[in-house]
Amino acid sequence: DVKVTQSSRYLVKRTGEKVFLECVQDMDHENMFWYRQDPGLGLRLIYFSYDVKMKEKGDIPEGYSVSREKKERFSLILESASTNQTSMYLCASGTGQGTYEQYFGPGTRLTVT
Amino acid sequence: ILNVEQSPQSLHVQEGDSTNFTCSFPSSNFYALHWYRWETAKSPEALFVMTLNGDEKKKGRISATLNTKEGYSYLYIKGSQPEDSATYLCAFLQGAQKLVFGQGTRLTINP
Repeated sequence: DVKVTQSSRYLVKRTGEKVFLECVQDMDHENMFWYRQDPGLGLRLIYFSYDVKMKEKGDIPEGYSVSREKKERFSLILESASTNQTSMYLCASGTGQGTYEQYFGPGTRLTVT
Repeated sequence: ILNVEQSPQSLHVQEGDSTNFTCSFPSSNFYALHWYRWETAKSPEALFVMTLNGDEKKKGRISATLNTKEGYSYLYIKGSQPEDSATYLCAFLQGAQKLVFGQGTRLTINP
């Protein structure tokens, strides 16, 4: 079974703090993705990565950065957390071929106060 | 940004009833359409990946159809059960291996 794990299920941070969300996958997938999910808006892509040390902006990258130093690990960084970044964050991984099916982690619900 | 629309946004169905909902997507540059089921407190899981116009996929009581020419897909659930309660997401595969998700249909099955 593909396993995608995220470092925390729930996280509470203060405005201005630097926040790290970690994601690890065990299927040797080339692609990894970070999404946020807000009510009525569906999943929106923040950043994705095709390979180690490679990253591409998604649809809403402002206020975020990412790091992929190893193939299995993809980190999302909030440089200075703000209240409008309160959301559910989902990580996913997938192969770079075929039907591009994605496998998701359980999500991190981040609250910024 | 491509537009993927799902309707309805939420749905309440009696146990045993059948139901269906819609995903609309751009009809040009089609590559694939994904359906995911997202149960509360769990990870979204892939239900179907559909690539061909006229495709019909089935998994137990759940099935999906695809019309790429007009840009829509239907998801059907026959004889709804409480365990079918979830948010159902469709996603359009655009170039560069990215999925564009609809806002989801939240399905609640009433016992």
